[in-house]
Amino acid sequence: EDKVVQSPLSLVVHEGDTVTLNCSYEVTNFRSLLWYKQEKKAPTFLFMLTSSGIEKKSGRLSSILDKKELFSILNITATQTGDSAVYLCAVYAEWKIIFGKGTRLHILP
Amino acid sequence: DTAVSQTPKYLVTQMGNDKSIKCEQNLGHDTMYWYKQDSKKFLKIMFSYNNKELIINETVPNRFSPKSPDKAHLNLHINSLELGDSAVYFCASSQGIGSYEQYFGPGTRLTVT
Repeated sequence: EDKVVQSPLSLVVHEGDTVTLNCSYEVTNFRSLLWYKQEKKAPTFLFMLTSSGIEKKSGRLSSILDKKELFSILNITATQTGDSAVYLCAVYAEWKIIFGKGTRLHILP
Repeated sequence: DTAVSQTPKYLVTQMGNDKSIKCEQNLGHDTMYWYKQDSKKFLKIMFSYNNKELIINETVPNRFSPKSPDKAHLNLHINSLELGDSAVYFCASSQGIGSYEQYFGPGTRLTVT
């Protein structure tokens, strides 16, 4: 059965810390992996990854995909309280989109 | 200039009723989706349409029926509402099928009493 597993499920750190969020997957006909940030309302897009080993970067956030080991990580450096959110990983497989259960990140001031 | 809009934002109704949620996107996208997000924030796809054609139809009760009158609109009709239908329903759109980022609407919080 296709699945996307995120870890940890929740994480509490202090402002300024660096965090790494994990996403592993088992799907047939993998197409791409996407990361979203969800605060109080709708998820907002962060990254889309299709190729192994190529880091995508946006400010303090970065992500990389390993298609051999079937996982991706999302790194956030110098965290700020505004980074507090649920981070969702989603995988596109053929005719399917599967979301993980998310990692709830809380940044303490 | 809302990209993906949904109405209503909140919907409170009794068991057994029939209700509809509407979604519209002004991005010119070809593909639209309906997702259900439960109380634990687990997001699960329900349906996807591409150019008004149903392409993803996950295992959902047949009380849920999507309708796409044109590629800018995807409505969700729910018959005989049950307590377990209470959730937030998100509409989303993307440029095409497959590996494109999705733009989500603000969500409709459905509460069935």
